[in-house]
Amino acid sequence: LAKTTQPISMDSYEGQEVNITCSHNNIATNDYITWYQQFPSQGPRFIIQGYKTKVTNEVASLFIPADRKSSTLSLPRVSLSDTAVYYCLVGDSSGNTPLVFGKGTRLSVIA
Amino acid sequence: DGGITQSPKYLFRKEGQNVTLSCEQNLNHDAMYWYRQDPGQGLRLIYYSQIVNDFQKGDIAEGYSVSREKKESFPLTVTSAQKNPTAFYLCASSRSPGLAGVRNTQYFGPGTRLTVL
Repeated sequence: LAKTTQPISMDSYEGQEVNITCSHNNIATNDYITWYQQFPSQGPRFIIQGYKTKVTNEVASLFIPADRKSSTLSLPRVSLSDTAVYYCLVGDSSGNTPLVFGKGTRLSVIA
Repeated sequence: DGGITQSPKYLFRKEGQNVTLSCEQNLNHDAMYWYRQDPGQGLRLIYYSQIVNDFQKGDIAEGYSVSREKKESFPLTVTSAQKNPTAFYLCASSRSPGLAGVRNTQYFGPGTRLTVL
């Protein structure tokens, strides 16, 4: 499984755009990149998933460069409720091997 | 959340006792997973099951046992052999692995917080 590296923590003020970058140098051809969000004492929640270029949904955008060795989760105009831990995972679409959760990035949004 | 229920939300156990955590899903997912999370840490995989009557050990299976007799249920037993069982336990499920075009997105339950007294 491709290992991921992301910052341990980040701080941001309300209303700012937050970009969290994840490094996955050993990503395989069949691997997708998935981001989850976790609030304290809750299960992680799927945010966004992509393979290459850019993916956008109502919550976030995911930017993946051509070499796919990194990806950036972009949260537009964060609010206090976006304070959470964000996990970057890499795995193939077959699902035969469970995804591996690292320690994630703890985002703190400040008023 | 999203069709996965875990019970109870809080559980207290005396040292030396076995305890079983419940996980049920109505998403018709084939695969189910159990994770453990300690304070400030990420999720660690305990066991997973990709089909009924079959399951595999994850990274930290020692002291735990599971069964998968029904597609919708994947109970986890924390045995007395688990030396440090106090943690937050999360159950997840995903669609059938190996199907073309199906991405391995996991859906999580609300978790059970186990405290050993």
